[in-house]
Amino acid sequence: EDQVTQSPEALRLQEGESSSLNCSYTVSGLRGLFWYRQDPGKGPEFLFTLYSAGEEKEKERLKATLTKKESFLHITAPKPEDSATYLCAVQAFSSGSARQLTFGSGTQLTVLP
Amino acid sequence: EAQVTQNPRYLITVTGKKLTVTCSQNMNHEYMSWYRQDPGLGLRQIYYSMNVEVTDKGDVPEGYKVSRKEKRNFPLILESPSPNQTSLYFCASSLSPAFSWSGGADYNEQFFGPGTRLTVL
Repeated sequence: EDQVTQSPEALRLQEGESSSLNCSYTVSGLRGLFWYRQDPGKGPEFLFTLYSAGEEKEKERLKATLTKKESFLHITAPKPEDSATYLCAVQAFSSGSARQLTFGSGTQLTVLP
Repeated sequence: EAQVTQNPRYLITVTGKKLTVTCSQNMNHEYMSWYRQDPGLGLRQIYYSMNVEVTDKGDVPEGYKVSRKEKRNFPLILESPSPNQTSLYFCASSLSPAFSWSGGADYNEQFFGPGTRLTVL
């Protein structure tokens, strides 16, 4: 069974204080790992897809990295507007072509001014 | 504007009263899916559809029905809602049901609707 575990559950940072969120996964064969951002009362918003170990992607203050067992979402010099819940999801080869994603429970990030 | 819309956004109902949550996308996406989100459990897939008239069960299909008569619409039907179906529901769509290594983000990205908060008393 595919599993995704995100840590920490919640993280409070001061503005400008860089940190990392962790997503550990167990899948039979990874097709892709996805990061989403979710604001309160809204649907998840796509951030990144990573396909293979060693891959990195960046967007503004965010950088996502991938190893064979986990992914990190690095946040550099965060601002209050980066406050949100960050979700990690995996799609495994066992999912067939059905595009089924297995989501983690998320990390709730709060950036204080 | 490319988007996934859901209606209603909020719904309070009583046990056993049939309801439908509508989902519509304007991106000509083939793949559509329903998720429910519960505290501590993350997003779990209820049903998905790979194209018109093609639907299948996700991880938690019990108590739900779906239909896909048109490409843009994918309604979620609760024939006899129960309190354990109180949750936040999201509809999502993506360009193609096939996973593409070379198609970039557009192929594999799922676009989510704004959510429907359902309370069953």
